Amino acid sequence: QVQLVESGGGVVQPGGSLRLSCAASGFTLSNFAMLWVRQPPGKGLDWVALITYDGSSKSYADSVKGRFAISRDQSKNTLYLQMNSLRAEDSAIYYCAREVTGYYPHYWGQGALVTVSS
Amino acid sequence: EIVLTQSPATLSLSPGERATLSCRASQSVSSSLAWYQQKPGQAPRLLIYDSSNRATGIPARFSGSGSGTDFSLTISSLEPEDFAVYYCQLRTGDWPPKLTFGPGTLVDIK
Repeated sequence: QVQLVESGGGVVQPGGSLRLSCAASGFTLSNFAMLWVRQPPGKGLDWVALITYDGSSKSYADSVKGRFAISRDQSKNTLYLQMNSLRAEDSAIYYCAREVTGYYPHYWGQGALVTVSS
Repeated sequence: EIVLTQSPATLSLSPGERATLSCRASQSVSSSLAWYQQKPGQAPRLLIYDSSNRATGIPARFSGSGSGTDFSLTISSLEPEDFAVYYCQLRTGDWPPKLTFGPGTLVDIK
């Protein structure tokens, strides 16, 4: 059974950093592309980052490029999102997701809330 | 940058009625489009991928169609559990690919 559990959310000051984790179970990370998608409270979905199944390629939304980094630890079967130089507009629920095919997010975690505020 | 537009913003219907939601891309995206359903307090659920393929476990009342720039999601007969927000999402042809979501359509009870 596929399960994704995010952790690491919280309140951080503007300009600060935070690392989100997504513990995967029921499958092996290295077999699937993984994604981060965020959703500001009361607003729509916003794709953040993607890593290919073999980890060789990564892509980012323009709004986070150069500030966020997606990575994974195969030994821990865990996906990460390192977020630096955080801004108020980065405040959102952050979901990790796994594809089944075609890089479409199919399995989703429950989300981790990140609030950027002074 | 390709932009997705969804219409209408809100669709007010009764159970049993047919719902047709539209998603338009600012440039052709071939058939690389998906639809998601989201209910309050829940993560999104993938309904349709590659324009017309139903994801595993999705009821047959959900169908998708379109290619190029114009896509639609049809719910043939609304069930009470179908009232939710629906998002379309494209995957670009870049490598590695990028994704974009539309702003969403709220289907609420009339």
